[in-house]
Amino acid sequence: NAGVTQTPKFRILKIGQSMTLQCTQDMNHNYMYWYRQDPGMGLKLIYYSVGAGITDKGEVPNGYNVSRSTTEDFPLRLELAAPSQTSVYFCASSYSARVPQETQYFGPGTRLLVL
Amino acid sequence: AQTVTQSQPEMSVQEAETVTLSCTYDTSESDYYLFWYKQPPSRQMILVIRQEAYKQQNATENRFSVNFQKAAKSFSLKISDSQLGDAAMYFCAYRSAGDKIIFGKGTRLHILP
Repeated sequence: NAGVTQTPKFRILKIGQSMTLQCTQDMNHNYMYWYRQDPGMGLKLIYYSVGAGITDKGEVPNGYNVSRSTTEDFPLRLELAAPSQTSVYFCASSYSARVPQETQYFGPGTRLLVL
Repeated sequence: AQTVTQSQPEMSVQEAETVTLSCTYDTSESDYYLFWYKQPPSRQMILVIRQEAYKQQNATENRFSVNFQKAAKSFSLKISDSQLGDAAMYFCAYRSAGDKIIFGKGTRLHILP
């Protein structure tokens, strides 16, 4: 049981380039989330998904897109990278979001640098 | 809107001593959960402890315990017998039913040998 895995661990992008951050979970969780963590700050929700085929915006969705074609995978797409997107990105999953005690399990993070 | 405030950006504690990290939150909900997450230098977010708002008894996990004051909307984390491996960023988080988790800005804890 690998939990939540993310690739790549680190990436440098040039302004205007595109890339996809991969996230996979093997816990059969319905809910998946993408957060970004800027230096000295807490986590901010970018997008989340309540199940395959269903996604919704979080607090800071601009500049990002997501898809959820399977239960396991929840990729995050950056279409036109900007320096403001330099951050550490965390993927997380949980079985449900309807019960507040549900624990979110986090991946190891992807560090993205846009120059 | 719910908010989570951690007023201590950084703290230091001597190894084997006890340290308390503060967290306050604001909500109008009655049913919610509170969490402390640890983020070591590896950046992996690890759940340390959680507290159900309807429970008066403070949660405890080994050397980690909380002081939950519902009326004051306070949720502090106490780490006893601090160890070098406890050095990390600690995030307080809030969640109500059917809602997303809201994180505080974090407290960086240094353990002095």
